[in-house]
Amino acid sequence: EDKVVQSPLSLVVHEGDTVTLNCSYEVTNFRSLLWYKQEKKAPTFLFMLTSSGIEKKSGRLSSILDKKELFSILNITATQTGDSAVYLCAGPGSARQLTFGSGTQLTVLP
Amino acid sequence: DADVTQTPRNRITKTGKRIMLECSQTKGHDRMYWYRQDPGLGLRLIYYSFDVKDINKGEISDGYSVSRQAQAKFSLSLESAIPNQTALYFCATSDWGNPTDTQYFGPGTRLTVL
Repeated sequence: EDKVVQSPLSLVVHEGDTVTLNCSYEVTNFRSLLWYKQEKKAPTFLFMLTSSGIEKKSGRLSSILDKKELFSILNITATQTGDSAVYLCAGPGSARQLTFGSGTQLTVLP
Repeated sequence: DADVTQTPRNRITKTGKRIMLECSQTKGHDRMYWYRQDPGLGLRLIYYSFDVKDINKGEISDGYSVSRQAQAKFSLSLESAIPNQTALYFCATSDWGNPTDTQYFGPGTRLTVL
């Protein structure tokens, strides 16, 4: 059974802090791991990771995958209040449907 | 215009009523999905369809049914709604052969069953 586990479940920081969100997975026929950001609406795509050790970056966000340890992290540097959201990790498993983790609720205080 | 639309956006109904949630997409994607989201449980797959003649159960299909009326339309039905089906429902699409496996989500339907 495909499984994606995220930690921590929630995190409260102050503006300017750096945060690391974790995602571990057990997905059959692994193809890629995806990160989404969800504010008070539908999830929006952030990153797709397919290769170990190659960092993907988008502004203050970055993510990396470790295929040996079945693990990915999402880093956000110099956090802003607009980064407050639920961050979802997902892995395509059998039949290429996504299995989502339960998400990390990030709250950035001013 | 949004690529993936859902109607209604909000619905309050009573136990035992039949409810249909509709999803339309203009992305031209073959694959469509229905998820529900509950606090602390993330997104869980209800049904998915890889083309008009293909319907597959997801991890929580009991109590739900779907219809793929056309490539662009995928509807979700609750034949007899119960309170624990109160949740946020998302439709999503993806493109066959797209190596990113990225799914594009609709805005969601908030369903409350009293």
